Amino acid sequence: NAGVTQTPKFQVLKTGQSMTLQCAQDMNHNSMYWYRQDPGMGLRLIYYSASEGTTDKGEVPNGYNVSRLNKREFSLRLESAAPSQTSVYFCASSEDNSASEQYFGPGTRLTVT
Amino acid sequence: EDQVTQSPEALRLQEGESSSLNCSYTVSGLRGLFWYRQDPGKGPEFLFTLYSAGEEKEKERLKATLTKKESFLHITAPKPEDSATYLCAVLFWEYGNKLVFGAGTILRVKS
Repeated sequence: NAGVTQTPKFQVLKTGQSMTLQCAQDMNHNSMYWYRQDPGMGLRLIYYSASEGTTDKGEVPNGYNVSRLNKREFSLRLESAAPSQTSVYFCASSEDNSASEQYFGPGTRLTVT
Repeated sequence: EDQVTQSPEALRLQEGESSSLNCSYTVSGLRGLFWYRQDPGKGPEFLFTLYSAGEEKEKERLKATLTKKESFLHITAPKPEDSATYLCAVLFWEYGNKLVFGAGTILRVKS
């Protein structure tokens, strides 16, 4: 099992460009999440999908959109990148949206210049 | 006010020198508390889940405990390979299924 996979691993964008971060899990989990991690601030939830067909905002959703493509895949889109979106992005999944543990992917390091 | 606070921010230990990391939270209504380990350039790796005060979990040299307002991650006789950032995350009833993370403790173990 690969667990949670993310592509790309690294990306550099210019301000105003758009891109989509891809995430897939092979654990048959129902819930999936997108986080960003910035130095000294801990992980912050951007969006989550409790189950296939549903999405909801987290703590820092502005500037992002998500799509739960199917049970396995959950993508994060930046429509018009800004320097403030420079961060490391992690996708995670959990069995369901109760208090079950979340499993994380390896991350995407994004720089916006 | 921070809802989840970890201390210390950084900790340096000699190999074999036992110590504890702290995670305290200010919001009531705990659904679960999670400990993760994160190595540089990698995603967080799940370690433990604790659900109620008095609960304890162990894995190799690590032991996690939970009281009503805080959790401790005890590291017994650490080795250099235990060096990592340790993250605490809390699931509160007030916030549904949204995990609230602390900023982490950076642990360095020297041989």
